[in-house]
Amino acid sequence: KAGVTQTPRYLIKTRGQQVTLSCSPISGHRSVSWYQQTPGQGLQFLFEYFSETQRNKGNFPGRFSGRQFSNSRSEMNVSTLELGDSALYLCASSLEGGVSQPQHFGDGTRLSIL
Amino acid sequence: SQQGEEDPQALSIQEGENATMNCSYKTSINNLQWYRQNSGRGLVHLILIRSNEREKHSGRLRVTLDTSKKSSSLLITASRAADTASYFCATENTGNQFYFGTGTSLTVIP
Repeated sequence: KAGVTQTPRYLIKTRGQQVTLSCSPISGHRSVSWYQQTPGQGLQFLFEYFSETQRNKGNFPGRFSGRQFSNSRSEMNVSTLELGDSALYLCASSLEGGVSQPQHFGDGTRLSIL
Repeated sequence: SQQGEEDPQALSIQEGENATMNCSYKTSINNLQWYRQNSGRGLVHLILIRSNEREKHSGRLRVTLDTSKKSSSLLITASRAADTASYFCATENTGNQFYFGTGTSLTVIP
């Protein structure tokens, strides 16, 4: 069974631009969560999608948005990029979501803002 | 913050020794999970322990949970160089979200 796939692996953008990151979950998994990982803040929860609906949302500004398609693939969009958005963005999938199941992570997208 | 906190932040041991890392959390939980992250990679789920369990084993891993102290520990026995990674505990909050701790960076010296 293929794991969680995130594309692209690396991305370089400049301030003010926008970016879209993609995540393909494990086949059959309906929940997709996104996290931002930085050395200073650690792993922070962005949002969770389940059956094309945002079910949970972390404490991030509206510049961070996402969506989930009918095949459970998910995209995350960040608009008006700031230097502080430089981070490793991780996607995780699970069968039904929630905190009682293990999450399966992709290897992330390393976003660098110049 | 409801985030878990791992202790120590960094740990360096010789191959073959045991490694113990601890996690403290602030709110009541239904379960606690441990994950490993190799440099530049995603997190890998290691073990889940439920609030009504006190100890759980998986291979060379032993996890304990003390809900009265709101703490958990992860023991890796007979460590190997391949165990070099960061280890995180994950707990839940009332919003049904995961909170990850700050992590323990483990270095196993061959």
